[in-house]
Formats: sequence, C-alpha cells, structure tokens
Amino acid sequence: DAGVIQSPRHEVTEMGQEVTLRCKPISGHDYLFWYRQTMMRGLELLIYFNNNVPIDDSGMPEDRFSAKMPNASFSTLKIQPSEPRDSAVYFCASSRGARPGNTIYFGEGSWLTVV
Amino acid sequence: KQEVTQIPAALSVPEGENLVLNCSFTDSAIYNLQWFRQDPGKGLTSLLLIQSSQREQTSGRLNASLDKSSGRSTLYIAASQPGDSATYLCAVVNAGGTSYGKLTFGQGTILTVHP
Repeated sequence: DAGVIQSPRHEVTEMGQEVTLRCKPISGHDYLFWYRQTMMRGLELLIYFNNNVPIDDSGMPEDRFSAKMPNASFSTLKIQPSEPRDSAVYFCASSRGARPGNTIYFGEGSWLTVV
Repeated sequence: KQEVTQIPAALSVPEGENLVLNCSFTDSAIYNLQWFRQDPGKGLTSLLLIQSSQREQTSGRLNASLDKSSGRSTLYIAASQPGDSATYLCAVVNAGGTSYGKLTFGQGTILTVHP
C-alpha cells in the first residue's frame, strides 16, 4: 500500500489567503485524523472522522479552520483566512477499526508557512 | 486532561551505547501507549504499541515497557547506531473515549548518536 498521502508537501502563502490541505488515507482504513505540529505546542489533534463522519472537532482552533471528508478516500483541511500563527506542519493519519491494538499510520505532513 | 511528559528533551550518545528514554502520563486510564520515531522533515513511524494489559513489547533492538499504575513507560535502545538519530515521541490513547486513535503526545526526545 502507498501509505497515507498528503498534498501539498510544502506551501508558502500570504496572510489572508485560503489554504487547502489534502489527504488520502490508506485504503480500508475507517478512521482519519488531522494533527498539527508546532515547536511550541508539539502534536495536537485537530479533528478526526469515522466512516467519513466528523466525530470530534474540539481541537480545531477556531472558525477559520474547517475539515471535510466527502468519501472514504479523501479529506481536506481548509484554513480561511490564513494567519502567520497557522504556520505549522499538518499531519493526516489513518487507522483501521476501533481496537486498542490498531496502529495509526501518519502521512509525511504538509509544511505550511504563512507570511 | 491527559498530559504526557518525556525526559530528557535531548540526548547525545556515542555509537554502541545502550540508552533509555522516559515517558510519563498523568492519567493512568489508558487503552494503549505507542512509541513513534520522527525523522527530520518526515512523518511519524510507529515503533512499538503496548496495550494497557501488557507490560512490554520488543522489536529488534528496541524494548518498551509500561507501568500503567505509576503512569510511566520507557523505551530501551540497545547498541545504538547513528541511524537511530531521530526524535522519539511517546503517545497514549485514553480509555473511555470514542476512538482508539485519538493520541495525546509528549514533546519528544531528540536523540543524536554520533560515530
């Protein structure tokens, strides 16, 4: 399997612009997670989906952030409007099932810089 | 709220040494604990997953232990090599949640193994 695929790998954008990050989970995985990593706060869970339905979005920082999962093989994380403090690495991850022994697989991340 | 702490924040050792990375968590009601490796500019790779009912897991030169009641885990790396240089992250999944993939991460230990 190709693993979790994220795009773009790197993006530099100006403050106020809309940013869309994309994720393709591993085929057959029914859980999808969006995490954000910064030097100050480490890795934080933003939102996760089960069978394409958002289950917990309590980690989404504010209304400028939104996430969708229109089907089992695609998810987006959108920031509108973007701000410099949104600069971070955004990771998508997926797992199969809801058992304690299931490993979660991470993509290589989308490195976002907002100037 | 679950908090995960990793000590030390950074570690530099000569090749061949055996070493121990420490992880502690404040809420002992967990489903599992995972150790991840993160290389610069890359995503996270799961190294070992210990379920709450287990005491340890081993993979090659890596051994992870879990003392759930005291809220501690250690990652032991035997005969370290320069290729082991990376950031090592500990993460737990809390019991009682709606997903087994909702991880709470520590800040990581940056390991450098020099020849």
